[in-house]
Amino acid sequence: DAGITQSPRHKVTETGTPVTLRCHQTENHRYMYWYRQDPGHGLRLIHYSYGVKDTDKGEVSDGYSVSRSKTEDFLLTLESATSSQTSVYFCAIQPSGGNIQYFGAGTRLSVL
Amino acid sequence: DQQVKQNSPSLSVQEGRISILNCDYTNSMFDYFLWYKKYPAEGPTFLISISSIKDKNEDGRFTVFLNKSAKHLSLHIVPSQPGDSAVYFCAALNSGGSNYKLTFGKGTLLTVNP
Repeated sequence: DAGITQSPRHKVTETGTPVTLRCHQTENHRYMYWYRQDPGHGLRLIHYSYGVKDTDKGEVSDGYSVSRSKTEDFLLTLESATSSQTSVYFCAIQPSGGNIQYFGAGTRLSVL
Repeated sequence: DQQVKQNSPSLSVQEGRISILNCDYTNSMFDYFLWYKKYPAEGPTFLISISSIKDKNEDGRFTVFLNKSAKHLSLHIVPSQPGDSAVYFCAALNSGGSNYKLTFGKGTLLTVNP
């Protein structure tokens, strides 16, 4: 357990509604990441953060935004959810000085 | 362009035998490689890694081999156990780059039959 909590764990929403997923860590790691996992695609990076208010895009960032106002929280927002954003979302942290990322348990999001 | 490829979507082996999972990469800047295991409804968990300065790393039943000239790595599980049944992801990193972004393969579903 790397001290990562994702919430909610499951969510069903309707197309066009905003959705925010939360990743909370307890160990003050600088680097945090959001991925989505889809069948046939593996894990793809959406956005990442390298410090408070420091974020950047990953390979599949369209339709997503992030915020990090505190070290411990990294929020992923779908401004207007679409069915193509139905997926399992994982948050990860990376301790400084290492090359290993540790993942949360995931959030399963269904957009109907 | 897929920089990390796991060409076998699935693999089935008998309990007690060896499981070999393969991974190829195209980016010469990758110098650190990781394997993650993922059970259904759980997050990926780190399994084993290898730096490009080595060609082998062993941890119990798990061994990762790296062939830099072929840009190929493999994960060997000996002996395989039913509890090893999971999706295995290969990931690669340019440790000299910024922000430690991992690039993942699409995964291989390993089934170990009793």
